[in-house]
Amino acid sequence: DAMVIQNPRYQVTQFGKPVTLSCSQTLNHNVMYWYQQKSSQAPKLLFHYYDKDFNNEADTPDNFQSRRPNTSFCFLDIRSPGLGDAAMYLCATSRGPPSYEQYFGPGTRLTVT
Amino acid sequence: AQKITQTQPGMFVQEKEAVTLDCTYDTSDQSYGLFWYKQPSSGEMIFLIYQGSYDEQNATEGRYSLNFQKARKSANLVISASQLGDSAMYFCAMREGGGSNYKLTFGKGTLLTVNP
Repeated sequence: DAMVIQNPRYQVTQFGKPVTLSCSQTLNHNVMYWYQQKSSQAPKLLFHYYDKDFNNEADTPDNFQSRRPNTSFCFLDIRSPGLGDAAMYLCATSRGPPSYEQYFGPGTRLTVT
Repeated sequence: AQKITQTQPGMFVQEKEAVTLDCTYDTSDQSYGLFWYKQPSSGEMIFLIYQGSYDEQNATEGRYSLNFQKARKSANLVISASQLGDSAMYFCAMREGGGSNYKLTFGKGTLLTVNP
């Protein structure tokens, strides 16, 4: 089945220790997104790619970076995680027109100790 | 001003009954789309239903229907014949404007609990 896959599902990292979260898709969608979702809140868009074009949200901290080496894969790098970065990180893809619906992966729950 | 407003932080419904989750939106664009997503406790966001601003008929997908009232800027989700598995957080979202905008704005969500 075509899908969005995120690895790992659970990640524990230490304060200040870089961490990378992975997302892959078999949907062949042009657009990929990274969201941060904290407990009982709506997902917050960090950035998205249209093909290789990177679009950063204005309020995304510099601590968060992303790479998309090819259509299928996208990575979220947190260079120096703080306690406030503990959250669920959701990857999504979109097929664009006409409806632009986004398909989400299962998420990676990040704990910072 | 919030672009998507979900005024019900929590809702309760008896199994097999219908429930309406409210969503109002704010946009000056003529072209936009409205979405509903379900998020169970496992965390995955599941796409439920979509309504385009130019769609004349209300969208339906199985037990889900979207009550679209354009003049009132509301896009309420109706779940018929609720099941225990419908217990989850539900998010309303909007995409505004033209073809180059691929972003969704989410509301704060409504936590639905289905009672047996």
